[in-house]
Amino acid sequence: KAGVTQTPRYLIKTRGQQVTLSCSPISGHRSVSWYQQTPGQGLQFLFEYFSETQRNKGNFPGRFSGRQFSNSRSEMNVSTLELGDSALYLCASSLEGGGRQFFGPGTRLTVL
Amino acid sequence: GENVEQHPSTLSVQEGDSAVIKCTYSDSASNYFPWYKQELGKGPQLIIDIRSNVGEKKDQRIAVTLNKTAKHFSLHITETQPEDSAVYFCAASIGDSSYKLIFGSGTRLLVRP
Repeated sequence: KAGVTQTPRYLIKTRGQQVTLSCSPISGHRSVSWYQQTPGQGLQFLFEYFSETQRNKGNFPGRFSGRQFSNSRSEMNVSTLELGDSALYLCASSLEGGGRQFFGPGTRLTVL
Repeated sequence: GENVEQHPSTLSVQEGDSAVIKCTYSDSASNYFPWYKQELGKGPQLIIDIRSNVGEKKDQRIAVTLNKTAKHFSLHITETQPEDSAVYFCAASIGDSSYKLIFGSGTRLLVRP
């Protein structure tokens, strides 16, 4: 099976812009979780989607949002970008959210 | 709030030696504990996991132990090889929802040839 794919792999944006990142889970997986990885804060949980519903959300401001489509693909959106949003954004998929999570390669976002 | 502490932050071993990484979690309801290996430029790769109803699990050169009473779990790598060099992360589920993980700060393992 193909692994988790994320697009784009790299993005450069300027402050105030918005960005949309995409994640395609492993075939058959219905749960997608998003994480932010930075050198200072490490890996932090953003939110998780299952069957197009957000089941849980981490401690991030409302500028961070996401959605999941009927084919389980997921997108996350960050509006009004700040310098501190520069990070590696990772998505992970699992069968039903209660089991093993498999990560994609991530999208490296740089905010200038 | 929920927290996972991971030690050491860096670990250097000679090829063939063993490496041990330790984590402590705070949420007594946590019941799922995965370990991930992250190489430069890649996403974390699941290498082994354990659930709270099991005290130890082994997969070839890698083993994980869990002490629920002390809220400790550890990763053991035996017969280390240069390709084991990477950053290792422990994680614990938040409550009994294993889809929500809180991660340790990572251990950079260097295996010297």
